[in-house]
Amino acid sequence: GQSLEQPSEVTAVEGAIVQINCTYQTSGFYGLSWYQQHDGGAPTFLSYNALDGLEETGRFSSFLSRSDSYGYLLLQELQMKDSASYFCAVRWDDKIIFGKGTRLHILP
Amino acid sequence: DAGVIQSPRHEVTEMGQEVTLRCKPISGHDYLFWYRQTMMRGLELLIYFNNNVPIDDSGMPEDRFSAKMPNASFSTLKIQPSEPRDSAVYFCASGPLAGGGTDTQYFGPGTRLTVL
Repeated sequence: GQSLEQPSEVTAVEGAIVQINCTYQTSGFYGLSWYQQHDGGAPTFLSYNALDGLEETGRFSSFLSRSDSYGYLLLQELQMKDSASYFCAVRWDDKIIFGKGTRLHILP
Repeated sequence: DAGVIQSPRHEVTEMGQEVTLRCKPISGHDYLFWYRQTMMRGLELLIYFNNNVPIDDSGMPEDRFSAKMPNASFSTLKIQPSEPRDSAVYFCASGPLAGGGTDTQYFGPGTRLTVL
């Protein structure tokens, strides 16, 4: 079946760069999305890659490679407020699939 | 824009009671989604609509769950009868067709449901 795999947790230092990977076992999907969710809050949309390559939005960048069944979210100049869970998601046919989320811990 | 509006924000009910969750999407959005989130199961898509028509309801757990979208500005998710295992945070989200529809979603604040 279709599934998205993400690391459950990642730890990084304030000011550093961190990459959160998302791998998938499906094909024919319509691109890769990323969402951020703080504790007690709702998911918020971060980025969407319709095509292979890198999309940049401020400190956040997202990358997609369909041939490698792989994508990632890159966060630069980490701030304490970036501590949150990050979800990747794809639309496959009429289905929408979310990964289980990656909990990002940031150390001062 | 006010964003996606959900009500109530918190609901505590007893097993066997009917629960109705409400959602007002962002004006002009063509897609509406209902999700459930728990620690154990993560974020699960229950159902989504395009122009008020249900597209995929394969995530609806069982016949106790039903969702309607009578018009472009209102949707309900109903659980009847409710069970303790239905306790979760329920999110409603909407998405514009121009943004990819299902690929760019804006979430409401959620309804925290507790079934005793």
